Amino acid sequence: KAGVTQTPRYLIKTRGQQVTLSCSPISGHRSVSWYQQTPGQGLQFLFEYFSETQRNKGNFPGRFSGRQFSNSRSEMNVSTLELGDSALYLCASSLSGTPSEAFFGQGTRLTVV
Amino acid sequence: AQTVTQSQPEMSVQEAETVTLSCTYDTSENNYYLFWYKQPPSRQMILVIRQEAYKQQNATENRFSVNFQKAAKSFSLKISDSQLGDTAMYFCAIARGGSQGNLIFGKGTKLSVKP
Repeated sequence: KAGVTQTPRYLIKTRGQQVTLSCSPISGHRSVSWYQQTPGQGLQFLFEYFSETQRNKGNFPGRFSGRQFSNSRSEMNVSTLELGDSALYLCASSLSGTPSEAFFGQGTRLTVV
Repeated sequence: AQTVTQSQPEMSVQEAETVTLSCTYDTSENNYYLFWYKQPPSRQMILVIRQEAYKQQNATENRFSVNFQKAAKSFSLKISDSQLGDTAMYFCAIARGGSQGNLIFGKGTKLSVKP
């Protein structure tokens, strides 16, 4: 059974650009959550999608958005990139959204220069 | 609001020895879960052990066990017979019960297992 797949693994972008990250959950999982990991702030919850609907949202500016497709794959978009957006972005999938069942991907390392 | 505090930024242990990582938390929820995650250099977050708050019995998974003190809001992780592969960042986390509960993480403890 394939795990959670995040692409790309590494990304370098320039300030002001936008970026899209992708997450393919485990087959059958309908919930995808996104987390940002930085040395200063640690791991912070961005948002959760379930059956193509955003069901839960963390405290991030509107520049951070996401969506989920009918096959449960999810994308996260960050517009007008800032240096502080440099981080490891982790995606977790679960059947129903219950954190106790979550499986994480290996993350996308975003560097903003 | 839920918070998680890990007071030990770094720890080291000799191979085959036992080490305990500390975690305290705060929550107003009655139904919640507690977790320990391991993040090796590969960056993937791996679930080590989880504890349902309503269960009094401490969870164990092979060499990993927890000491869950609900009244003190303490949730420590004990690693027995430490192995070199246990070297990683360890994160304590909490989530409210049911679906739609996101994980709240502590800052992590960097564990080094020395040969």
